[in-house]
Order: sequence, then structure tokens, then C-alpha cells
Amino acid sequence: AQSVSQHNHHVILSEAASLELGCNYSYGGTVNLFWYVQYPGQHLQLLLKYFSGDPLVKGIKGFEAEFIKSKFSFNLRKPSVQWSDTAEYFCAATDSWGKLQFGAGTQVVVTP
Amino acid sequence: DAGVTQSPTHLIKTRGQQVTLRCSPISGHKSVSWYQQVLGQGPQFIFQYYEKEERGRGNFPDRFSARQFPNYSSELNVNALLLGDSALYLCASRPIAGEITDTQYFGPGTRLTVL
Repeated sequence: AQSVSQHNHHVILSEAASLELGCNYSYGGTVNLFWYVQYPGQHLQLLLKYFSGDPLVKGIKGFEAEFIKSKFSFNLRKPSVQWSDTAEYFCAATDSWGKLQFGAGTQVVVTP
Repeated sequence: DAGVTQSPTHLIKTRGQQVTLRCSPISGHKSVSWYQQVLGQGPQFIFQYYEKEERGRGNFPDRFSARQFPNYSSELNVNALLLGDSALYLCASRPIAGEITDTQYFGPGTRLTVL
């Protein structure tokens, strides 16, 4: 069955620290991958997406993700986080007609 | 431009009642999808509609139904509410269905509480 799993449910780190959130997927065939973010009190927003081409994808707000096909992974990274990056982060995958399968999410708290 | 809008923002119902949630997609978007987000979990796909036709259904009971109108807005109906239906219901729109490169844009959601 298709699935998306996120490694950590909660992450706490200090400002300026580096962030890496793990995501693994289980899909047969072509897969398209996304990271969404949900800031407190706001709706889900797209951070970045991967469909094909360069496996290193750059998104908004300094985020990037690397697609590693051999590891079925799509990890999200940011070199230096800010307090404003406090949010819940969701990895998602989609099949050929666009149904999004989400992971359980990772709550990230950045302390000043 | 207005984003995806949903109404109502919050809703409280009792077990056994029925509820209707509404969604207006971004102007020009013809596909609407519904997701259920239970506290502590990621959103779960319920339905996708495109050009007023159901294009996909998730693993939800028949108590859940939806429809899309000629103006591409959509309604999600849930009958015989259970406590477990308490969740944030999200609507997402995209220009067309089947184009996997489209981004889905999410609305703010409707928070449903079933007592």
C-alpha cells in the first residue's frame, strides 16, 4: 500500500541551528513529492515539490529537499532556522491523478 | 486574488446529526479535493471532484458524500455523525485534475466538533 512516513513527531531546536526532517515513501511507479508547512493559525502552504529532474529541490524561505530514489527518501533541510520557522511540517506524495498522501507531520519548535 | 475559502470556520454538532461543509476554490480552478485532518495526524484524502464528477474517493464510509456545482464550488456532507468525525476538514483546489504537476492550494479548514 502507498504510504508516507515521517521520522520525528516533535523537534525542538535553537535559532541558527540546522534542521533536517526525514520522510520516506512507499509507492510503486512514478511518485511526486511535496513538503507542506502549517504555521500556527494558518492553513497548509506548499514549501517545495519534486516531480522530476534535479533531485535537489529548493523551495521558499530557504528550505530545500533532496530526493534519493534508492532510499525512497525526500528529506527536508534548512541550514539555519529562525523562530518564525516554528510550525508543523508535512511530507506528502501523490500518484498519477493527484490524490495527496500525507505523513503524520513533524511539529518543529524553534526557541530564541 | 482570493484563496480557497471554506465555511463555516467552526461547527459543533451532536452524534447522529448531519453536517454540510462548503468550499469555494480559487478562481479558475476546476478541481476540488477534500481532506480530513484528525488532531495529531496528517490530512487524509476523502474525495476529489473535477468538472462536477467524482474522480477519486478515499477510504471513508458512505456516510461521507460530496458534490461539485457548476461554479466549481463544492459541498461535503457527513451523515449520522460519530465522535470520531471530529476533525479539521480541509478543501484544496487546483486548476485541473490529472495534471500531477499542479499544486494543490488549501483553504483554512472547517473545525468540526462532534459531542
